[in-house]
Amino acid sequence: EAGVAQSPRYKIIEKRQSVAFWCNPISGHATLYWYQQILGQGPKLLIQFQNNGVVDDSQLPKDRFSAERLKGVDSTLKIQPAKLEDSAVYLCASSQSGYGELFFGEGSRLTVL
Amino acid sequence: RKEVEQDPGPFNVPEGATVAFNCTYSNSASQSFFWYRQDCRKEPKLLMSVYSSGNEDGRFTAQLNRASQYISLLIRDSKLSDSATYLCVVNANDYKLSFGAGTTVTVRA
Repeated sequence: EAGVAQSPRYKIIEKRQSVAFWCNPISGHATLYWYQQILGQGPKLLIQFQNNGVVDDSQLPKDRFSAERLKGVDSTLKIQPAKLEDSAVYLCASSQSGYGELFFGEGSRLTVL
Repeated sequence: RKEVEQDPGPFNVPEGATVAFNCTYSNSASQSFFWYRQDCRKEPKLLMSVYSSGNEDGRFTAQLNRASQYISLLIRDSKLSDSATYLCVVNANDYKLSFGAGTTVTVRA
């Protein structure tokens, strides 16, 4: 079974530029999550989708971050404009429901200069 | 107060030793508890769920103490391959999972 796919794996941009990350969850998984993990910290939930609806985006900095999950399958996370403190690994995860095991992708490592 | 707190460590132990660490959670209504393992520069992966009665998976034992609101993980007969960061995850309500910052374990030869 294919796992959670993410791209790009690495991205380096300058502050105030924009970046987009893509995630394709495991087939059939209704719940999709985007987490931000800063070095030395645990993953922090940015947004959670159930199918194509948003369940929780309370910690998403909406002035610069946006995410969508059209058709309830793959998802994109965009940052515009980026700040230095956005340097982190952006992890996408999926689960069959909102209760079970989370399966993570390998992450997209962002460096903002 | 953070929803989930962990001792960051690092716990530096020799091969064959036993190491144990705890994770405290703030929401007394929490229902589900998990330990995830994260290797350096890798994604987190589920190590084990934590059940009310406590559970064991090989050399790993997880315990839940609802009265004091903490869960624990014990690793027996440590192997070099156990070196990782262990993330405590708590399901605070119907859908929200909160991650701790992780406890780093280093097993030395």
